Amino acid sequence: NAGVTQTPKFQVLKTGQSMTLQCAQDMNHEYMSWYRQDPGMGLRLIHYSVGAGITDQGEVPNGYNVSRSTTEDFPLRLLSAAPSQTSVYFCASSYEQGSLQYFGPGTRLTVT
Amino acid sequence: AQSVTQPDIHITVSEGASLELRCNYSYGATPYLFWYVQSPGQGLQLLLKYFSGDTLVQGIKGFEAEFKRSQSSFNLRKPSVHWSDAAEYFCAVGAGNNDMRFGAGTRLTVKP
Repeated sequence: NAGVTQTPKFQVLKTGQSMTLQCAQDMNHEYMSWYRQDPGMGLRLIHYSVGAGITDQGEVPNGYNVSRSTTEDFPLRLLSAAPSQTSVYFCASSYEQGSLQYFGPGTRLTVT
Repeated sequence: AQSVTQPDIHITVSEGASLELRCNYSYGATPYLFWYVQSPGQGLQLLLKYFSGDTLVQGIKGFEAEFKRSQSSFNLRKPSVHWSDAAEYFCAVGAGNNDMRFGAGTRLTVKP
C-alpha cells in the first residue's frame, strides 16, 4: 500500500492563480480530510468527506473547494490564490468515523 | 464544535528525564482523543489514541497518555526521554463525524 499520497510536494503561485492539490489513498477508506498547518495554530480542518459524493466544510473552508467523485481521490481546489493561503496542506484518510487518520506527506504552498 | 488546548508552546527537557505534555479538550460527549508527533519537514505519525475503555493508553515509542474526564485532559507522558523524541507534538480530538480538531502543538527540545 502506498497509503496517502499528495502531489505536488511544493508549489509557488501568484495571487489570483488557481490550482488543485491532489490527494489519493489506496486503503479503501471512506473518510478523507484536508488540513492546513500554520505556525502556532496547529492543524485546521478545511473540508472533509465521509464517502464518495459527500463533502462538508470544516473549520476554515473559505477559498477552497473539494469534490469526491471516487473513494480514492479527494482533490482540494484553490480558486483564486491569496497570500493568506500560504501554508502546508495535509490530506488524511481514515477507515471509519472518528478513527485514527493516516496523513499524507504534505504540500508546501507559497502564494506571492 | 470540539476544541483542544495545548498550554505549552515549547518544552525543554534533559535526555533521560521524564516528560509530560498537557492537553485539554472541550467536547460535549465522550471524545476520541489522539496524540500525533511531527518531526521537522515530515508528516504526522500517530503515537496513541483513546476511544473508550481503559483510561491509560499505551502508544508507540514508550509513550502513554491518560484520559481524565473530570479534568477534560489527555496528557502525554514518557518516563525517560531520548534525543530522538525532539519533535512537535499535537493533541487532537475527534467527534463522530470525522471532524477532528488539533491543538496548536508543543515543541519538544531535548538537551544532551
